[in-house]
Amino acid sequence: AAGVIQSPRHLIKEKRETATLKCYPIPRHDTVYWYQQGPGQDPQFLISFYEKMQSDKGSIPDRFSAQQFSDYHSELNMSSLELGDSALYFCASSTRSGERGDEQFFGPGTRLTVL
Amino acid sequence: KNEVEQSPQNLTAQEGEFITINCSYSVGISALHWLQQHPGGGIVSLFMLSSGKKKHGRLIATINIQEKHSSLHITASHPRDSAVYICAVRGRKLTFGTGTRLTIIP
Repeated sequence: AAGVIQSPRHLIKEKRETATLKCYPIPRHDTVYWYQQGPGQDPQFLISFYEKMQSDKGSIPDRFSAQQFSDYHSELNMSSLELGDSALYFCASSTRSGERGDEQFFGPGTRLTVL
Repeated sequence: KNEVEQSPQNLTAQEGEFITINCSYSVGISALHWLQQHPGGGIVSLFMLSSGKKKHGRLIATINIQEKHSSLHITASHPRDSAVYICAVRGRKLTFGTGTRLTIIP
């Protein structure tokens, strides 16, 4: 079965650069979530989208922005990168219907390293 | 105090042993997830439950809403079960526990 796809899988940037992370949800999933997991830390919720509208916002820095497009894929844009932004960024998707409605399915993550 | 607490933090067992990982939470939730994270980071959703019990292969998850407690059981554990197991509760957002690092020794 198709899973959540994230690209790139690994990304190395320097301080003050920008980065764009992409997430392609499972087909027919309408909700996308972004999480940040720092080294040795729990994942932290950043932001979510339902039907292309922001549905909830967590601890996302102002330097970050995200959107969900008409094909339901989502992009997380990160500007003025800092060393502390180095983390594993997960995307998850869900749908409200069906046997596994509202269950979040996670992508493999993008490992961002800021030098 | 974390909203979601897991125990134990680390667990090492012999292959074949019965494993129990516990999760307690302090907030109102609509559902609870059990997730598995392997070295390298990928997260796999094992269960989402809001009441009772679910079983998938050698994995069993239970939840007691009144006691705000859930358990994940692994029967006939195998070295490939070695991973970090994370409990996450869904209220307004998904809040993660600190994880239990499980190591199964052959």
